[in-house]
Amino acid sequence: GENVEQHPSTLSVQEGDSAVIKCTYSDSASNYFPWYKQELGKRPQLIIDIRSNVGEKKDQRIAVTLNKTAKHFSLHITETQPEDSAVYFCAASTGDTGRRALTFGSGTRLQVQP
Amino acid sequence: NAGVTQTPKFRVLKTGQSMTLLCAQDMNHEYMYWYRQDPGMGLRLIHYSVGEGTTAKGEVPDGYNVSRLKKQNFLLGLESAAPSQTSVYFCASSYGRLAGGPDTQYFGPGTRLTVL
Repeated sequence: GENVEQHPSTLSVQEGDSAVIKCTYSDSASNYFPWYKQELGKRPQLIIDIRSNVGEKKDQRIAVTLNKTAKHFSLHITETQPEDSAVYFCAASTGDTGRRALTFGSGTRLQVQP
Repeated sequence: NAGVTQTPKFRVLKTGQSMTLLCAQDMNHEYMYWYRQDPGMGLRLIHYSVGEGTTAKGEVPDGYNVSRLKKQNFLLGLESAAPSQTSVYFCASSYGRLAGGPDTQYFGPGTRLTVL
């Protein structure tokens, strides 16, 4: 089955700096890659996703890049703010109609220091 | 429109007890999922359903059973709870379009279960 590895496990940045979180996946059939943000005690919330037919997607301060050849994708957060502090999860899915379940990475705890 | 809801929010069980977690969605989604979240391990799929009356096993199904008698509800059962099932359980749902690839999964607020 799919295996998703995520690095780093913790990341501390100064407010205003950029943060980058990287994930690799094993199943070349995976074609959907969402990123979720989870605040303490809350549910995971989708912040951005990318499908395999594009290499990059941006939404204000957040961007995701995908390299299908190398089987890795990354989350980029620019101009970080204290409210960006949370745990971020990457995930991958093959998107076949029989399942469409997500395989998650182990998470990155991002701390933005004011 | 409440989205995805879960009951209960918290529960403490003794080893060997049974319980059922309820997930409900009001978005007319076809697909529903149960995940468990353990520290440092992300979320892992327990069981899923691609429509009313259908269920299937995920990555970590042992010790759990599920039922999807109504499209809007997905129940997760623990017949004989064990301390290893102490976790936070999240339900999720998605529209499940037949074409166009996967779609967004929406998560419930979670159930924190402790088995003593």
